[in-house]
Amino acid sequence: TQLLEQSPQFLSIQEGENLTVYCNSSSVFSSLQWYRQEPGEGPVLLVTVVTGGEVKKLKRLTFQFGDARKDSSLHITAAQPGDTGLYLCAGGMDSSYKLIFGSGTRLLVRP
Amino acid sequence: NAGVTQTPKFRVLKTGQSMTLLCAQDMNHEYMYWYRQDPGMGLRLIHYSVGEGTTAKGEVPDGYNVSRLKKQNFLLGLESAAPSQTSVYFCASSYGLAAYNEQFFGPGTRLTVL
Repeated sequence: TQLLEQSPQFLSIQEGENLTVYCNSSSVFSSLQWYRQEPGEGPVLLVTVVTGGEVKKLKRLTFQFGDARKDSSLHITAAQPGDTGLYLCAGGMDSSYKLIFGSGTRLLVRP
Repeated sequence: NAGVTQTPKFRVLKTGQSMTLLCAQDMNHEYMYWYRQDPGMGLRLIHYSVGEGTTAKGEVPDGYNVSRLKKQNFLLGLESAAPSQTSVYFCASSYGLAAYNEQFFGPGTRLTVL
């Protein structure tokens, strides 16, 4: 069974702080996606990474795919209250139509 | 362009009752998915469809059935609801293979089974 473990499960920080969220697996994935979900809504895609070692930046968010394509990280610089939400990583395999989702990191950024 | 819509938004059932959740997408996507989301467990795939008239089991299919009679609609049925099916249900669709294509999610249906 392919599993994606996210850490930490919960994170409460002050506005302006930096943070990193991790997504780890013992399986190799063809791609890794990160989604953000706000209360009462469905997840929304932030980024897809497909190459080992790949780094993508989206404004203050930096995403990295591990060299072995088993792990990924999301780094947020100078967090803002608008970054509050549930962050989900999801792994995809060439041989499958499905995504495997991690259990999520719930982030609260306090003003 | 509504994207992915789900009905109903909320529902309370008694154990043993049946219901159908409706998902509709207007993006002409081939692939559609039903997930359930429980606290601390992320999203788990129930069933999915790779095209009109086709369905397949996901990670947690027991107690659910699905149908995809039209490309734009994907129905999830509970024949005899159980308290363990209390959850938030999300429908999603994508243009192509999940690994390389964005999944677009609906707003969810919050189901409580008493």
